[in-house]
Amino acid sequence: DGGITQSPKYLFRKEGQNVTLSCEQNLNHDAMYWYRQDPGQGLRLIYYSQIVNDFQKGDIAEGYSVSREKKESFPLTVTSAQKNPTAFYLCASRGGTGFTGELFFGEGSRLTVL
Amino acid sequence: AQSVTQPDIHITVSEGASLELRCNYSYGATPYLFWYVQSPGQGLQLLLKYFSGDTLVQGIKGFEAEFKRSQSSFNLRKPSVHWSDAAEYFCAVVTATDSWGKFQFGAGTQVVVTP
Repeated sequence: DGGITQSPKYLFRKEGQNVTLSCEQNLNHDAMYWYRQDPGQGLRLIYYSQIVNDFQKGDIAEGYSVSREKKESFPLTVTSAQKNPTAFYLCASRGGTGFTGELFFGEGSRLTVL
Repeated sequence: AQSVTQPDIHITVSEGASLELRCNYSYGATPYLFWYVQSPGQGLQLLLKYFSGDTLVQGIKGFEAEFKRSQSSFNLRKPSVHWSDAAEYFCAVVTATDSWGKFQFGAGTQVVVTP
């Protein structure tokens, strides 16, 4: 089945370590997104990518980095510069054409800093 | 400033009763509106969406939503709630002026279903 796969589902990190969250999609979507979810704050956009080898900062990009070397993959690295990384991270891609496509989400990755 | 507001953080409803979740938006351009549902520890699933045409939109799981331009609202409804509807619900908006599609999400409404 087509969809978005995020891994790992749970991740623990020591302070000062970088970690990378994987996001793979087989929906043949051009646009991909990373969101951070904290209780009571909805979803906040970290980075987005419209096409391969291009990505843009979202609202809360500080302390994060991404790459888009393949259409199917959009990994997110949480660096040691991110001061409060404990959160639920959601990857999404956008289907449809023009402005009418909705977001398709992965199952999420929960990162906990020890 | 563009914004999406879900006024109710938490709603408790009895199984079999009706449910209405509110969503208000503040956008200058024509909005495209979505409702998503999230079970604990899971991703978001699309319930329904509105782009144009009939302002009453039917979605999955028996949900519907009505777009009211005059009130800048897109409220979600279900006539009879099932225990499996307990989840968090998010309203989202994107406009045609966002060339790459910057979705703005509300803070969410947590729905608890009691027996």
